[in-house]
Amino acid sequence: DAKTTQPTSMDCAEGRAANLPCNHSTISGNEYVYWYRQIHSQGPQYIIHGLKNNETNEMASLIITEDRKSSTLILPHATLRDTAVYYCIVRAISSGSARQLTFGSGTQLTVLP
Amino acid sequence: GAGVSQSPRYKVAKRGQDVALRCDPISGHVSLFWYQQALGQGPEFLTYFQNEAQLDKSGLPSDRFFAERPEGSVSTLKIQRTQQEDSAVYLCASIQGLAGGGYNEQFFGPGTRLTVL
Repeated sequence: DAKTTQPTSMDCAEGRAANLPCNHSTISGNEYVYWYRQIHSQGPQYIIHGLKNNETNEMASLIITEDRKSSTLILPHATLRDTAVYYCIVRAISSGSARQLTFGSGTQLTVLP
Repeated sequence: GAGVSQSPRYKVAKRGQDVALRCDPISGHVSLFWYQQALGQGPEFLTYFQNEAQLDKSGLPSDRFFAERPEGSVSTLKIQRTQQEDSAVYLCASIQGLAGGGYNEQFFGPGTRLTVL
């Protein structure tokens, strides 16, 4: 799995968009970008994933650059409950084998009132 | 619906004690993972089950760690002769289908915080 680089921490004002960057310059063609988050004292929670097209769901949007070397997770209207550690994970989807998640240290997002 | 549950939520053990941590995955989920999360770090893979078969235990840090899932549902992670470096949060995750075949979201439990004194 390709290595990812994320800022250690970020702050965001409540109600504003939170933009969390992730660099994955060694990503290969069959690797997807996944985002999970972990709220304090809880297990990680899946947010979104994508290959090369931008993706949006009810939680967030994922913007992947054309060269796929970086991506940004966007929480359009951050709330206090979005305060969490956000993990960017790159890995391939392959059949027939166990595929655990490889987490880095993530970005601690703090949403400020 | 019910998610992944883990028990106990907190466990304090004296060095040298044996501990058993339980994971109840979402009903019907085929695949189950255990992760270890040290303070301030992301979770790290320990082991993986497909039904009752343990297909990957490459992440277990020593032979003091043992996991089982005898009937393909509930899983237990056992740590023998606990050491201070075993202090961590132990997370369990389950997946509806077979891990790797397309993308299946991993559903995590809240974890068990183990403190070894």
